[in-house]
Amino acid sequence: GENVEQHPSTLSVQEGDSAVIKCTYSDSASNYFPWYKQELGKGPQLIIDIRSNVGEKKDQRIAVTLNKTAKHFSLHITETQPEDSAVYFCAARYSTLTFGKGTMLLVSP
Amino acid sequence: GAGVSQSPSNKVTEKGKDVELRCDPISGHTALYWYRQRLGQGLEFLIYFQGNSAPDKSGLPSDRFSAERTGESVSTLTIQRTQQEDSAVYLCASSLGFGEEQYFGPGTRLTVT
Repeated sequence: GENVEQHPSTLSVQEGDSAVIKCTYSDSASNYFPWYKQELGKGPQLIIDIRSNVGEKKDQRIAVTLNKTAKHFSLHITETQPEDSAVYFCAARYSTLTFGKGTMLLVSP
Repeated sequence: GAGVSQSPSNKVTEKGKDVELRCDPISGHTALYWYRQRLGQGLEFLIYFQGNSAPDKSGLPSDRFSAERTGESVSTLTIQRTQQEDSAVYLCASSLGFGEEQYFGPGTRLTVT
């Protein structure tokens, strides 16, 4: 089955800095790669996704890149703000979603 | 409109007891998913329902776990003879169709003592 590795497990940045979270996947058939943000006590919320026919997608301060050959994808957050602090999960799907273990992002004012 | 709701929000039970967790999906969503999230871990797929098709139970960890869904509405996840390792947050999600964006509920935190 699919296996998704996510790094780093924790990431601390200063407000205004950029943050990058990286994931690798094992199943070359996976064709959909969403990113979720989970705040304390809440369910995950989709923030951006990318499909395998696209190499990059951007939405305001967040962007995702996909390298199908290397089977890795990354989340980029620019101009980080304290409200970006949360746990971020990547996932990959061919049939069902397989999630990474999450990255706790802490943005300090 | 209303999002996915789950009840109870917290459940404490004794080892060996059965528990039922409930999920109310977004109205009109044909697909419904259950996940388990252990402390500090990612989400682990358990089961999904799509319309009237047979559910995909491939993620259920043991035969103590089962789930039902009535049509395209409420779903219940049942854990029989609970064990301490069942302690986790159980998340439900729904989507308009299988493979489309999943909307998650707030989860049920289960603690087995």
